[in-house]
Amino acid sequence: ILNVEQSPQSLHVQEGDSTNFTCSFPSSNFYALHWYRWETAKSPEALFVMTLNGDEKKKGRISATLNTKEGYSYLYIKGSQPEDSATYLCAFIPYGGSQGNLIFGKGTKLSVKP
Amino acid sequence: GAGVSQSPSNKVTEKGKDVELRCDPISGHTALYWYRQSLGQGLEFLIYFQGNSAPDKSGLPSDRFSAERTGGSVSTLTIQRTQQEDSAVYLCASSEGLAGGSTQYFGPGTRLTVL
Repeated sequence: ILNVEQSPQSLHVQEGDSTNFTCSFPSSNFYALHWYRWETAKSPEALFVMTLNGDEKKKGRISATLNTKEGYSYLYIKGSQPEDSATYLCAFIPYGGSQGNLIFGKGTKLSVKP
Repeated sequence: GAGVSQSPSNKVTEKGKDVELRCDPISGHTALYWYRQSLGQGLEFLIYFQGNSAPDKSGLPSDRFSAERTGGSVSTLTIQRTQQEDSAVYLCASSEGLAGGSTQYFGPGTRLTVL
């Protein structure tokens, strides 16, 4: 059974703090990793699709890195704002499957206090 | 443009009844996915359609679950003889191509409650 772990489970920060969290996945059979943000009462929103070892992606104050050899990805948020409060999900796609079967972690729930 | 839409947004049903959940993907997207999130759990893959290929049904939890995609567009997820453990948020997503390199766009979900 392929397992995707996210840590921490939840995080409370003050507005302006920078923060980061981790997604761990099997290092063998890697095909792709996705990051999503899921705000309460909304649909999950795609942040990044990462496919290459060493990939670094950036979108505004949010960035992500990927290490496929050791099986982890970090998501960074610089200068957190209350609107960043959401659950951040990563999803792993193994090589050789149908490529439609995303294996999601349980997410990191971020709360940013003004 | 229009995003992925799902209906109904909420469904309350009695144990043993059948339910149908509908998903309208983004026009032109060839791939369509169904997931569910049960209380306290992560998103769980259910089924994936890609173009005219046979769907990947490997995530369907039992034979009470089935899904079809008509005309390469709208999809219906059917749960027969619902059980309380089927209570969850059911999410649909679509993408332009294969999930590996393609961003998935999610609908707002259907919250199913089985009494």
